[in-house]
Amino acid sequence: ILNVEQSPQSLHVQEGDSTNFTCSFPSSNFYALHWYRWETAKSPEALFVMTLNGDEKKKGRISATLNTKEGYSYLYIKGSQPEDSATYLCARIPNSGNQFYFGTGTSLTVIP
Amino acid sequence: GAGVSQSPSNKVTEKGKDVELRCDPISGHTALYWYRQSLGQGLEFLIYFQGNSAPDKSGLPSDRFSAERTGGSVSTLTIQRTQQEDSAVYLCASSLAAGDQPQHFGDGTRLSIL
Repeated sequence: ILNVEQSPQSLHVQEGDSTNFTCSFPSSNFYALHWYRWETAKSPEALFVMTLNGDEKKKGRISATLNTKEGYSYLYIKGSQPEDSATYLCARIPNSGNQFYFGTGTSLTVIP
Repeated sequence: GAGVSQSPSNKVTEKGKDVELRCDPISGHTALYWYRQSLGQGLEFLIYFQGNSAPDKSGLPSDRFSAERTGGSVSTLTIQRTQQEDSAVYLCASSLAAGDQPQHFGDGTRLSIL
């Protein structure tokens, strides 16, 4: 994998369903992985910053895991709510620590 | 405290004109980034400032694009001789340090080139 890839591109779930999506990235030269939530008409908001292989982070109903050896991170949302509707972006930061390489995001729509 | 502030929020201009976009980062944040999002695309890195170090300009798409950061605070992104493909949302973000600190984004400037 040369670039950061996110899947699926979009997702529709019913309120109350749990869901997850994937961020895949080059496993070499890894420094950090960020997750952001971007709601329509707002600016991106940081969810998690993950640096260590095996990291698990949790914020309310949202959690994330990181596997730097195989180059992927999962974002989980438990019991989705309409207010979770947003685009979820991940960004890989290589060892230089400067540049952020963003994926194109997963667009989540939670149907009431 | 105040978040990252960008101005203008919207800018419509004619092809060939120069435009200047402004970013006020969060006070104390040494790292400042510019990104753009073109229609249907992801966030594209443009330039990065860290303290007094020389900026990382490797993401600037052409020599029509330039940016500066005065006094380690306010930054301006200048696009000269704008082209229609420059139409995008330009986002600025700041953080305490690079890489392992979360970025705080402004609301962006929506630039439309006629």
